[in-house]
Amino acid sequence: EDQVTQSPEALRLQEGESSSLNCSYTVSGLRGLFWYRQDPGKGPEFLFTLYSAGEEKEKERLKATLTKKESFLHITAPKPEDSATYLCAVAENSGYSTLTFGKGTMLLVSP
Amino acid sequence: DAGVTQSPTHLIKTRGQHVTLRCSPISGHKSVSWYQQVLGQGPQFIFQYYEKEERGRGNFPDRFSARQFPNYSSELNVNALLLGDSALYLCASSLADSSSYNEQFFGPGTRLTVL
Repeated sequence: EDQVTQSPEALRLQEGESSSLNCSYTVSGLRGLFWYRQDPGKGPEFLFTLYSAGEEKEKERLKATLTKKESFLHITAPKPEDSATYLCAVAENSGYSTLTFGKGTMLLVSP
Repeated sequence: DAGVTQSPTHLIKTRGQHVTLRCSPISGHKSVSWYQQVLGQGPQFIFQYYEKEERGRGNFPDRFSARQFPNYSSELNVNALLLGDSALYLCASSLADSSSYNEQFFGPGTRLTVL
């Protein structure tokens, strides 16, 4: 059974203080790993898709990386507007394109 | 371009009642998936539909059902509501189902409160 574990559960940073969020996963075959951002009371907003180990993608202050067992979301010089819950999800290589989500990391960036 | 839309935004029901939630996918997207998200948890998969056919079902009781219409919009129905059904219900659309993976894009959700 797929399992996605995110750490830490919550992270508080000062503006400009870089850090990383972790997503570890166990699947029989990875079709894709996905990062979403979710603001309170809203739907998840798509950020990145990673398909194979060694792949990296960047968007503004965010950079996502993937290994065979985990993914990292690196946040460089965060701003208060980066405060949100960051969700990691995996799609297995067999079956339909359903997503299995972790519980998320709640990020708070203070000015 | 319009994103995924869901209605209603908020809904309050009492135990034992029935509810219907609606979703319109992004134009051109043929697959719709439903997720339940309780407070403090990640979304949990309920159903996936593609071309009006059910293609996947999560670990939810038979009180949950769904369907997809010819215009690719979808409804999620929940019968005999329980307090534990209170959650944010999310709809996600994507281009296709499984032949090649396509990202899922989420709507704003429907907040269901069961009293």
